[in-house]
Amino acid sequence: NAGVMQNPRHLVRRRGQEARLRCSPMKGHSHVYWYRQLPEEGLKFMVYLQKENIIDESGMPKERFSAEFPKEGPSILRIQQVVRGDSAAYFCASSRTGANSPLHFGNGTRLTVT
Amino acid sequence: GQNIDQPTEMTATEGAIVQINCTYQTSGFNGLFWYQQHAGEAPTFLSYNVLDGLEEKGRFSSFLSRSKGYSYLLLKELQMKDSASYLCASTDSWGKLQFGAGTQVVVTP
Repeated sequence: NAGVMQNPRHLVRRRGQEARLRCSPMKGHSHVYWYRQLPEEGLKFMVYLQKENIIDESGMPKERFSAEFPKEGPSILRIQQVVRGDSAAYFCASSRTGANSPLHFGNGTRLTVT
Repeated sequence: GQNIDQPTEMTATEGAIVQINCTYQTSGFNGLFWYQQHAGEAPTFLSYNVLDGLEEKGRFSSFLSRSKGYSYLLLKELQMKDSASYLCASTDSWGKLQFGAGTQVVVTP
């Protein structure tokens, strides 16, 4: 049973470009969460999605960031017009039921903005 | 406000016991998770407490007191591979985790 798959593992973008990060949850999991981790810091919640619905986006910056989890295919975190401060590790996690079940994390995408 | 506090770093010798404390003040509290994260890797699930008391899983145990807003993770018979960051996280009714900054545990020979 494959775990949470994230790609790419490493992504380099120049300032002003777009970054697309993909996440395929574990089989049977319909709850997806995105987190950001800056060097030497903890994981910060960004957004929680179920299929075709954004449930909680309270951690998402108001501009340039968007997320989706379509009926078919992976969840996508999209960052438009990237800036140096967007450089971080972005982790996706999934769970089967949401509440009371552990989140299973992918290996993350390390975004570097040059 | 939302607040989760845990020590930044702890050092212990191989074979010893280490206790990592975590205090939390979060709204909609529904349980407390502990995760382990090695540098450059994904966090991995260690334990989950929803009721007060102690949960034991091999060398790792976790305790929760909801009335005190307090949890600890106990690591026994430390091994070198236990050197990692240990993350305390509260969860709400949607399953959203809110993490502390992590405690870096350094195990020395």
